[in-house]
Amino acid sequence: LAKTTQPISMDSYEGQEVNITCSHNNIATNDYITWYQQFPSQGPRFIIQGYKTKVTNEVASLFIPADRKSSTLSLPRVSLSDTAVYYCLVAIPNNAGNMLTFGGGTRLMVKP
Amino acid sequence: SAVISQKPSRDICQRGTSLTIQCQVDSQVTMMFWYRQQPGQSLTLIATANQGSEATYESGFVIDKFPISRPNLTFSTLTVSNMSPEDSSIYLCSVGGQGGGYNEQFFGPGTRLTVL
Repeated sequence: LAKTTQPISMDSYEGQEVNITCSHNNIATNDYITWYQQFPSQGPRFIIQGYKTKVTNEVASLFIPADRKSSTLSLPRVSLSDTAVYYCLVAIPNNAGNMLTFGGGTRLMVKP
Repeated sequence: SAVISQKPSRDICQRGTSLTIQCQVDSQVTMMFWYRQQPGQSLTLIATANQGSEATYESGFVIDKFPISRPNLTFSTLTVSNMSPEDSSIYLCSVGGQGGGYNEQFFGPGTRLTVL
């Protein structure tokens, strides 16, 4: 059974690098892996997406190994405002096609 | 990016009634989605709202319970029918990003529904 698994929570301190990994043992071969950030009482906000290897934008990096069975979101030098829940989103194949599936979310707490 | 608004932002409803949630986008978009998110939980896709045709529902969700309208490329509604306390949740709409894909989605603020 295909699953998408993330750590439930992580703690960090301001200025540190944070790496959050999502395990997805069976994802669609032709779809991106996407990460979102969600603050309380708001909808998720797109952070980054990638297909394989490494992608970097102004806020994060995304590392995807060749087998695409996992992905790691890297947040450089986090600040208090990065305290949020982070979700990976992948497409999981099923009998009806590909099903968009969010991971369970990782609650990141950044401390001063 | 797209700006998305939802109405109502929250509601408290009685068991057995129905609630229609509206989603308005500030630009024309191809793909619109409806999600459910129970407090403290992840998001679950309910359906894809298709303009000009019936919505595409995910496993576990049916049209009789969650009828969806998509009259044009900027608007959609989701109705939660014959509600029970188990329907208490946050309902979010989202739209696909550039190129119409579903990977880079933009989300509305959500509608918090409580069923008594």
